[in-house]
Amino acid sequence: KQEVTQIPAALSVPEGENLVLNCSFTDSAIYNLQWFRQDPGKGLTSLLLIQSSQREQTSGRLNASLDKSSGRSTLYIAASQPGDSATYLCAVEGGATNKLIFGTGTLLAVQP
Amino acid sequence: GAVVSQHPSWVICKSGTSVKIECRSLDFQATTMFWYRQFPKQSLMLMATSNEGSKATYEQGVEKDKFLINHASLTLSTLTVTSAHPEDSSFYICSAGMTSGAHEQFFGPGTRLTVL
Repeated sequence: KQEVTQIPAALSVPEGENLVLNCSFTDSAIYNLQWFRQDPGKGLTSLLLIQSSQREQTSGRLNASLDKSSGRSTLYIAASQPGDSATYLCAVEGGATNKLIFGTGTLLAVQP
Repeated sequence: GAVVSQHPSWVICKSGTSVKIECRSLDFQATTMFWYRQFPKQSLMLMATSNEGSKATYEQGVEKDKFLINHASLTLSTLTVTSAHPEDSSFYICSAGMTSGAHEQFFGPGTRLTVL
């Protein structure tokens, strides 16, 4: 059974810092991995999707990497801003289905 | 990305009543829609997967007679919480996706259900 874990559970950084969020999964047979952002009481905003054949994806200040063999992904946020404060979720899709298995989330607070 | 809407965004109901939540993909035809629930400070848990024109597939532990899912078209899926009780109070989120390509899922804004 696929399990997805995110470390740290919470993170507080001063504005301007670069930071890394970690996601690990137990079954390396994945179809893709997605990173999402969730603001309090809101739905999910897709940030980046990495297909199993890819190693990384970039969008603006965000860079996500994927190492299937070790079951890990990282989300790098450069020059963090207070507006980046949110919960970040990673999710993996198994090889046989379209189902997304979500991680536990990292609550990020960027202090001005 | 594609746009998915949910209606209502929040609902308060009395215990024992039924509540219907709609999920619409506004600018693409979704072969598959998913329903999740999220309790406070927890992650999303998949409830069921629905494909247009067929019965939904429920995850283990989810009562199919309590959470009725209908996926009548490629742009609309509904979740009906029947005989709601306070423990059903939660944040319900739908997503729509394609079974081809990158399999990206697009999420709705969620519906906050409070059962009194």
